[in-house]
Parts: sequence; structure tokens; C-alpha cells
Amino acid sequence: QVQLQESGPGLVKPSETLSLTCTVSGGSISGYYWSWIRQPPGKGLEWIGYMYYSGGTNYNPSLKSRVTISVDTSKNQFSLKLNSVTAADTAVYFCARGDYHDSLYYSDYWGQGTLVTVSS
Amino acid sequence: DIQMTQSPSSLSASVGDRVTITCRAHQSITNFLNWYQQKPGKAPKLLIYAASNLQRGVPSRFSGSGSGTDFTLTISSLQPEDFATYYCQQSYSNTYTFGQGTKLEIK
Repeated sequence: QVQLQESGPGLVKPSETLSLTCTVSGGSISGYYWSWIRQPPGKGLEWIGYMYYSGGTNYNPSLKSRVTISVDTSKNQFSLKLNSVTAADTAVYFCARGDYHDSLYYSDYWGQGTLVTVSS
Repeated sequence: DIQMTQSPSSLSASVGDRVTITCRAHQSITNFLNWYQQKPGKAPKLLIYAASNLQRGVPSRFSGSGSGTDFTLTISSLQPEDFATYYCQQSYSNTYTFGQGTKLEIK
């Protein structure tokens, strides 16, 4: 059974960089798309972006200038960096595995989520 | 971005009821539509992909239909564990937008 687990600081100061790591266990990181999705407290879901295990990215245009997703196949981990954060970036951040079915993308395994608060 | 609008935003129902949730896309997305279930404090869970395909392990009381701009998620006989928030998501464009969610509550 594939499992994902987010880790990283729960508090980030405004204007600094949010950095999270997702560790994948129970399956290989190869062959899939590794994504981040966030959810502000009490609100809906926002897709941030993904990276294919061997390279190639797809980012939400609204965040593209501030986001970097990377994959480390040797560690079965992938990471999110979001720079120049503001209070609007406060959210629960989920990592997820993605795949395609006849060109349709879906996320089938998710981490439990980690709350990141942006505050001084 | 393709906007996704769900209705209703919230819904009260009883165990055993048949429930339908609607998702409308602001342009055609053919069948590029997923449904997720989220319980409080938990990650979303994939229920349906490609509008009508049941994800492995999901009970058959869940079904999805639709194409183009209008889609539905139906739960044929509500069980206690089904009370949750449901989200649709389009993957037709490269920005995979979600609907705002439908909260299904116990009547």
C-alpha cells in the first residue's frame, strides 16, 4: 500500500520560503507524477502543481512564479518550495501521487496533510 | 482557468437516502472530471475518475455520470460513513481546478 507523508516547518515568516518534503513508502516513485495541493483553513482545494519522476513540471499559473517542485528518486521523496510567502499562503498542504488515464489526470494516493501558517 | 461550480453547497440527508451532487464546468471538459470525498481533518480520497469510472475499492453505491459541462455524483443509499464533503475536479486544462465542495450532512 502506497503511503505519503509530508514533513517540514509548521510556521514560516512572511516573505520567506515555505519548504516541504513528501516521503513515499510502499511503492516506487518511478512512473508517476508527484504533486502538491493546498487547502486554506475552512476552504476548498487548490492544485499547486506536479513534477514527473524523471523531470517535467506543470504548475498552477497563479503560483508558477513562486513555486518549485523537485523529485529525489534516490530517497523516494519529492519537495515543494514556495517563496515570498504571505498570510494568504497559510493552508494545509497535501502531497499526492498522480497518474493519467487516457490523458485524464487524477490523484490516487494522498498524504495526511500538514498545516503551514505564515506569520511573524 | 476552467471554473467548476458545484450544487448544492450543502445538503442534509438521512441514512438510506439517494443523493445527487452536481458539478458544472464553465466550458466543455468532455469527460475529464474526477470526484473526491474528504472527511474532516483527512486527505481527499479519489472516488470517481473520467466522470464515471469507479476507483478500486470504492463501494458500488457511488456512481458518476455526465460529459461536456454537466456532471453528477450519485450515492444510491447513504451510509453513515458517507457524510463528508465532496469535490469535483477537472483535468481538461493543465490547471486542475476543483469545485468549491458540497458538504453532505446528517439530517
